Amino acid sequence: DVKVTQSSRYLVKRTGEKVFLECVQDMDHENMFWYRQDPGLGLRLIYFSYDVKMKEKGDIPEGYSVSREKKERFSLILESASTNQTSMYLCASRLPGGQGNTEAFFGQGTRLTVV
Amino acid sequence: QKEVEQDPGPLSVPEGAIVSLNCTYSNSAFQYFMWYRQYSRKGPELLMYTYSSGNKEDGRFTAQVDKSSKYISLFIRDSQPSDSATYLCAMSQAGGSYIPTFGRGTSLIVHP
Repeated sequence: DVKVTQSSRYLVKRTGEKVFLECVQDMDHENMFWYRQDPGLGLRLIYFSYDVKMKEKGDIPEGYSVSREKKERFSLILESASTNQTSMYLCASRLPGGQGNTEAFFGQGTRLTVV
Repeated sequence: QKEVEQDPGPLSVPEGAIVSLNCTYSNSAFQYFMWYRQYSRKGPELLMYTYSSGNKEDGRFTAQVDKSSKYISLFIRDSQPSDSATYLCAMSQAGGSYIPTFGRGTSLIVHP
């Protein structure tokens, strides 16, 4: 059974803190994604990693960075948390894109509140 | 204008109804079209996937793509309360990284 695991379901952090969100997949997928999901805005891509140590900025990378040192793990880092980063964060993984390889498998999400 | 437009709803229907969910898009390069279902407090899961134009059927679910109109639909027949969820359309171009662009999602409520 395929699995994408996010380290926390709920997090509460203070403004200015450095925050780490961890994601691990057990499917040997090359591609991994970080999205944030907000009411009325849907899923917005923060960063995409197409392989170990490889990354691309998504639509809203400002205030975030990522790390992919091992194939199975993709970390999202909020350098200095702000209240407008309060959101649901979703990690996903996938085989490289192409016909027949388009399904992304999502974790259960981390609901982050910045106070 | 967003690349992918989807009415957020909520859409409320009685059990047994036929449900029609839709997305429009502006990027004519999109070739892969997907529907994800997301239950409350869960991550999205792939429901249907279509390449280019045409129809695809899987049980009570039918996905349609009309590339000439830049319009995709998901039909649910004999809807059940267990179908209550948020449905997200997603689409991607052929080539490059095939990164999917998601719609905002439509909240569906099927009441008994």
